[in-house]
Amino acid sequence: EVQLVESGGGLVQPGGSLRLSCADSGFTFSNYGMNWVRQAPGKGLEWVSYISRGSIAIYYADSVKGRFTISRDNAKNSLYLQMNSVRVEDTAVYFCARGTPPRYCTNGVCPPDDWGQGTLVIVSS
Amino acid sequence: DIQMTQSPSSLSASVGDRVTITCQASQDINIYLNWYQRKPGRAPNLLIYDASNLKTGVPSRFSGSGSGTDFTLTISSLQPEDFATYYCLQYENLPLTFGGGTKVEIK
Repeated sequence: EVQLVESGGGLVQPGGSLRLSCADSGFTFSNYGMNWVRQAPGKGLEWVSYISRGSIAIYYADSVKGRFTISRDNAKNSLYLQMNSVRVEDTAVYFCARGTPPRYCTNGVCPPDDWGQGTLVIVSS
Repeated sequence: DIQMTQSPSSLSASVGDRVTITCQASQDINIYLNWYQRKPGRAPNLLIYDASNLKTGVPSRFSGSGSGTDFTLTISSLQPEDFATYYCLQYENLPLTFGGGTKVEIK
């Protein structure tokens, strides 16, 4: 069974940093691209970032570009999101999501397939 | 960025009703559209990929159609467990963009 478990969320002050982790099991982690998606309170889903299987292709939403860094450790079956210079508007539940199998990817990006339960990040002074 | 316009933003329906949700893309996205279900406190769930393909394990009352700019998610006979918020997602172009969501509520 595919399992994705996020951790690392919490309360952080504006301008601060936080590192989210996603521990994955039940599948061959190194075979899949991975996504981060967030949902602010009362808002819809927003795609944040994508990393390919071998970390060659990395993409970000404009809203986080230059502040957030996605990475992965295939030996540890883990995905990360380093969040720097956080803003109040970054407050959200952050989900990690496994990408679809490669044959269902487009232009080198694999959209979210299986998702974790999410971790809440609150940016407030 | 490709804008995804989803409608309606909410609807009230009864168990057994046929429900249709639409998503319109601001430019041609071919068939590169997924549909997701989101329940409060639960992980989002992929229902439909590539516009019309049902993910394994998803009940057959869910179906998707469309290509280009206009897409539809249909629930043929609404069940109690289907009350949730539904989102479309385009992945033809970066950044990936979601529709605004459709909340399906009990009438």
